[in-house]
Amino acid sequence: GAGVSQSPSNKVTEKGKDVELRCDPISGHTALYWYRQSLGQGLEFLIYFQGNSAPDKSGLPSDRFSAERTGGSVSTLTIQRTQQEDSAVYLCASSLEGRGVGELFFGEGSRLTVL
Amino acid sequence: QQQVKQSPQSLIVQKGGIPIINCAYENTAFDYFPWYQQFPGKGPALLIAIRPDVSEKKEGRFTISFNKSAKQFSLHIMDSQPGDSATYFCAASDYKLSFGAGTTVTVRA
Repeated sequence: GAGVSQSPSNKVTEKGKDVELRCDPISGHTALYWYRQSLGQGLEFLIYFQGNSAPDKSGLPSDRFSAERTGGSVSTLTIQRTQQEDSAVYLCASSLEGRGVGELFFGEGSRLTVL
Repeated sequence: QQQVKQSPQSLIVQKGGIPIINCAYENTAFDYFPWYQQFPGKGPALLIAIRPDVSEKKEGRFTISFNKSAKQFSLHIMDSQPGDSATYFCAASDYKLSFGAGTTVTVRA
């Protein structure tokens, strides 16, 4: 596939459970971003990976959220002890250029519902 | 704290009308200003982008106007069509993209 792939597309979980969301970026893209989109809200920046540099985690809302990127490719966003306010669409994007410039290619998102 | 303020939240126009979406920012370090278009169930996709060294950029029916001194920029959709109905996000970047809250545009046939 040529685009950014995210899985699962939908996830329903119970409050307190942990969830993992996966992102496969476009091959060769060095920059990878996670954003969160809540109903009626814009895209909230969560975390940014650029090559082998330390990730920018400044947007993670709490220590329940973490992300890693293995081998400079696939990324996993983990939410521990989920809360109802974590319900949102989690979007992953990759870019050939880093530093927020150039085109970001978004996946279709993972919709998380916490009951 | 939203670094890019976008308005209106939603707007409805008739086919052929010109929806206008406005954005404002405070961070003078921003040096790249893209607009993204999002259809329901899809991720946002880049529509058009501008750098602060130009005041206007046109691509097809889409135009960005940029006012550096006022720290404002806007998107105009000329001769709008029902297929333009979508949510539009402005954004600004220093080293990462900060998005506005989005504007849902509905173009009635």
